[in-house]
Amino acid sequence: EVQLVESGGGLVQPGRSLRLSCAASGFTFDDYAMHWVRQVPGKGLEWVSSISWNSGTIGYADSVKGRFIISRDNAKNSLYLQMNSLRAEDTALYYCAKDLAVAGTWPDYWGQGTLVTVSS
Amino acid sequence: EIVLTQSPATLSLSPGERATLSCRASQSVSTYLAWYQQKAGQAPRLLIYDASNRATGIPARFSGSGSGKDFTLTISSLEPEDFAVYYCLQRTNWPPSARFGGGTKVEIK
Repeated sequence: EVQLVESGGGLVQPGRSLRLSCAASGFTFDDYAMHWVRQVPGKGLEWVSSISWNSGTIGYADSVKGRFIISRDNAKNSLYLQMNSLRAEDTALYYCAKDLAVAGTWPDYWGQGTLVTVSS
Repeated sequence: EIVLTQSPATLSLSPGERATLSCRASQSVSTYLAWYQQKAGQAPRLLIYDASNRATGIPARFSGSGSGKDFTLTISSLEPEDFAVYYCLQRTNWPPSARFGGGTKVEIK
């Protein structure tokens, strides 16, 4: 069974940094691309970033480009999102999602999310 | 940037009725479009990818169609568990990016 467990969320002040982690199990992690998607509670979904199986292809939403860094450690079956220069508008539930394929196509299985609150 | 517009924002229907949800792109996305279902308090679930392919385990009452700029998700006969919010998602290969539509809420009439 595919399992994705996000961690690292919490309350952080504007301008500070936070690192999210996603622990994957139940599938061969390095056979798939991965994504981060966020959702303000009660609002719609926003794709944040994706990374191919070998980290060779990475993409970011314009809203986070230059501030967030996605990475993965295939030996540890883990996905990460380093979030720098955080803003109030980054407040959201952050989901980790597995892709259908090795390169970024479609997120299929999702974790339950970790909540990030940016506030002074 | 490509903008996805979903309509209607809310669809009020009864169980057993047919639901037709629309997703329109501001420019052609070929068939690079997917549909997701999200129930309250849950993570989204992939229903349809590449415009018309059902994801693993998705019932046959869900179907997707369209290409270019206009896409449709059809639920042939609504079951009680189908009342939820539905999102479309488009992606581009290079540079890698993706964008969701604003969502359509299917509610019980």
